[in-house]
Amino acid sequence: DSGVTQTPKHLITATGQRVTLRCSPRSGDLSVYWYQQSLDQGLQFLIHYYNGEERAKGNILERFSAQQFPDLHSELNLSSLELGDSALYFCASSVRTAIGELFFGEGSRLTVL
Amino acid sequence: AQSVAQPEDQVNVAEGNPLTVKCTYSVSGNPYLFWYVQYPNRGLQFLLKYITGDNLVKGSYGFEAEFNKSQTSFHLKKPSALVSDSALYFCAVREPGANNLFFGTGTRLTVIP
Repeated sequence: DSGVTQTPKHLITATGQRVTLRCSPRSGDLSVYWYQQSLDQGLQFLIHYYNGEERAKGNILERFSAQQFPDLHSELNLSSLELGDSALYFCASSVRTAIGELFFGEGSRLTVL
Repeated sequence: AQSVAQPEDQVNVAEGNPLTVKCTYSVSGNPYLFWYVQYPNRGLQFLLKYITGDNLVKGSYGFEAEFNKSQTSFHLKKPSALVSDSALYFCAVREPGANNLFFGTGTRLTVIP
């Protein structure tokens, strides 16, 4: 158990809908990262938050947004969903140091029908 | 820009034999290098990292990796493979000052009994 909690584990929805994925980092970790894992594109970095502030953006679509709350949990919002958004979405957390490893949650599997 | 290449999508090895999973990287400056393992329907688990110092890094579950600066490689190795080592392995790199890990496309390791 990494200590990172993600909910829901599975989500099935329709095209055009909006979903919210939630992540609780390990106790004491200030950094939260979101990654998307799909079969054809591997593990893609989406966005990084540190102590409530956005620090880096990767290949995140404009239809997607995220935030980190004062209690350090984070949410990833996906809107106007398309079939191609079906993927496994991972949250990871880390301590402050830039050389630290990331600790991953179990992921949220999104299926868009 | 940072990049990671895992040239083999699939590696098969007999139980008890040594295994190697290859990784090469490209970064500006001195890299921070990581290996992660993903078991079916699970999140990524940290195996080991290279930051500085000894080129041979030892990690979890008997795995080790050798950093080779001249060849820009960071191959994962284990002297004697177990069936339970069968999983998806990801190499990752972080450039100094970067906020995220950049992952390779993964190598599926199958250990044959």
